[in-house]
Amino acid sequence: KNQVEQSPQSLIILEGKNCTLQCNYTVSPFSNLRWYKQDTGRGPVSLTIMTFSENTKSNGRYTATLDADTKQSSLHITASQLSDSASYICVVARNAGNNRKLIWGLGTSLAVNP
Amino acid sequence: DAGVIQSPRHEVTEMGQEVTLRCKPISGHNSLFWYRQTMMRGLELLIYFNNNVPIDDSGMPEDRFSAKMPNASFSTLKIQPSEPRDSAVYFCASSFAASGSNEKLFFGSGTQLSVL
Repeated sequence: KNQVEQSPQSLIILEGKNCTLQCNYTVSPFSNLRWYKQDTGRGPVSLTIMTFSENTKSNGRYTATLDADTKQSSLHITASQLSDSASYICVVARNAGNNRKLIWGLGTSLAVNP
Repeated sequence: DAGVIQSPRHEVTEMGQEVTLRCKPISGHNSLFWYRQTMMRGLELLIYFNNNVPIDDSGMPEDRFSAKMPNASFSTLKIQPSEPRDSAVYFCASSFAASGSNEKLFFGSGTQLSVL
């Protein structure tokens, strides 16, 4: 069964600290893996998209890694800010032709406290 | 560009009433998606259109749900009759689908639907 599992479900950190969010997937065939940030009351916003051949990609203070062998990905946030408080969703695209099969995780809810 | 625009932002209705959600995709995008988000199930794809044509509606839960895209700049999602279990946030997203599979999805701010 195609699934994306994220951990932890929720996380609280202090401003300025680093954190790492995890994503494990059992999706086949694999096309790409994405991380989205969803602020409360808003739609998800794309942070990174990684293909099979990419094992790391950065977007500012966000760095995503991908291990296609173990089917794991992580999102590392450096020097967290209050604005990083959001839900972070891992999404895996199946190689189903036209990228129409996205398997969504349930997200990790991150709270950054002052 | 203003991004994907959805209306209304909030909708409260009574069971049995018809609900129509609206979406204006980003100009130039040729793919449009309707999603539903709940705490228990996360984001679920309901239907997507490519060049205004419905390609996959296998995610539409029941015949009570219907979606149209009469032109490249407008789409609707209709629920008739609505039921309390339809309460969720409904998102519209658009993208430009080229030959590859890595196109980025752009989401609207969603419609929070409450069916009493």
